Amino acid sequence: AQTVTQSQPEMSVQEAETVTLSCTYDTSENNYYLFWYKQPPSRQMILVIRQEAYKQQNATENRFSVNFQKAAKSFSLKISDSQLGDTAMYFCAFMTTSGGGADGLTFGKGTHLIIQP
Amino acid sequence: DTGVSQDPRHKITKRGQNVTFRCDPISEHNRLYWYRQTLGQGPEFLTYFQNEAQLEKSRLLSDRFSAERPKGSFSTLEIQRTEQGDSAMYLCASSGEQTSTDTQYFGPGTRLTVL
Repeated sequence: AQTVTQSQPEMSVQEAETVTLSCTYDTSENNYYLFWYKQPPSRQMILVIRQEAYKQQNATENRFSVNFQKAAKSFSLKISDSQLGDTAMYFCAFMTTSGGGADGLTFGKGTHLIIQP
Repeated sequence: DTGVSQDPRHKITKRGQNVTFRCDPISEHNRLYWYRQTLGQGPEFLTYFQNEAQLEKSRLLSDRFSAERPKGSFSTLEIQRTEQGDSAMYLCASSGEQTSTDTQYFGPGTRLTVL
């Protein structure tokens, strides 16, 4: 079974600063996907970024980038030039490719990110 | 593309009553997932449909829970004889089959409160 650990329950930074959210996972699989989802207060889960395990290049989406360390089983999210609208719960999630998607996503407990004005 | 929708958004019920939730996935998506999210936790996988076939069920899905996707489009999740421990947000997600594993898009959820 896979596990996902987010060790930072809450983080707070000033607007325009850079912040990094940590995520580690445990799996015996070699091929998988990793995701960061954002859940704003009282709003639905939104995909932030995804990474295929077979790709060595770290994924980037505008102000969001990841540091994927496969050997260390680490998948951190960096948010640059943080904005007030980035305030949300951030969930790291894992999905194996071996089950063809049938196993669903395994989520961490989340990090509550607060961007201060 | 109107996204994943769920109905109702909120449901308050008394212990012992039955409840049913509906999920309408993105129209071209053949994969549909149900998750449960309790306060302060990440979502937990409940069950998976590919078209109309229910292919995977979590141990979290007790005998009181049943899910259907009769025509491979919308899905329903029913909870019979609700218990206070069933209080949670129930999330639905859908994905396509462009690759062997695809990104899941989530609905807004149904928040269930069992009194």
